[in-house]
Amino acid sequence: GAVVSQHPSWVICKSGTSVKIECRSLDFQATTMFWYRQFPKQSLMLMATSNEGSKATYEQGVEKDKFLINHASLTLSTLTVTSAHPEDSSFYICSARDQRGLSTEAFFGQGTRLTVV
Amino acid sequence: AQKITQTQPGMFVQEKEAVTLDCTYDTSDPSYGLFWYKQPSSGEMIFLIYQGSYDQQNATEGRYSLNFQKARKSANLVISASQLGDSAMYFCAMREGVRGAGGTSYGKLTFGQGTILTVHP
Repeated sequence: GAVVSQHPSWVICKSGTSVKIECRSLDFQATTMFWYRQFPKQSLMLMATSNEGSKATYEQGVEKDKFLINHASLTLSTLTVTSAHPEDSSFYICSARDQRGLSTEAFFGQGTRLTVV
Repeated sequence: AQKITQTQPGMFVQEKEAVTLDCTYDTSDPSYGLFWYKQPSSGEMIFLIYQGSYDQQNATEGRYSLNFQKARKSANLVISASQLGDSAMYFCAMREGVRGAGGTSYGKLTFGQGTILTVHP
């Protein structure tokens, strides 16, 4: 099946610094990728939809300037948490769908556990 | 309004027995898809099964089957012959109909609250 690789799998950063998370589709082109956030034992909440070559679409309540999303190519989307604070500590996970075929499945990356200290 | 509802925060089942995880949904879109994912403690999201709104038969994938009752808007997951490795969090998700060009909801999944399944030996 299609593979989505997310990096890093975990990161610890100091408060006030920025962290970049990468999401790559390894064997298919993904014109659209999705970024989710998940707190412990809670559901996945969609943060934004990342569109290749255009601006991301953010869900209501998500700060655009804090969570910068760039989708520069058909296989790479990045999420940058700017000026991170402890409340940004969470599990971030991306997903992508192979637009070419009939696959209905959304493929997920492994996720990134962010801890801001 | 909640689009996807999982009313069971936690479920327990004996090894080798079957278990049903509940999921109800709400949509006015005639075209939608329903998914079940398994999330072990490692965090990865493992796709289990898919049901399209126009599918006539219930989806099955190995030990997983989806009890799709369209009129009731329910899509319960049935796991047969539970194994210890089935212990995880399970999410039901819905993707609503594809919009036109520029539509931002294309492919977007909305998730339920999740059910933590524990399989006892």
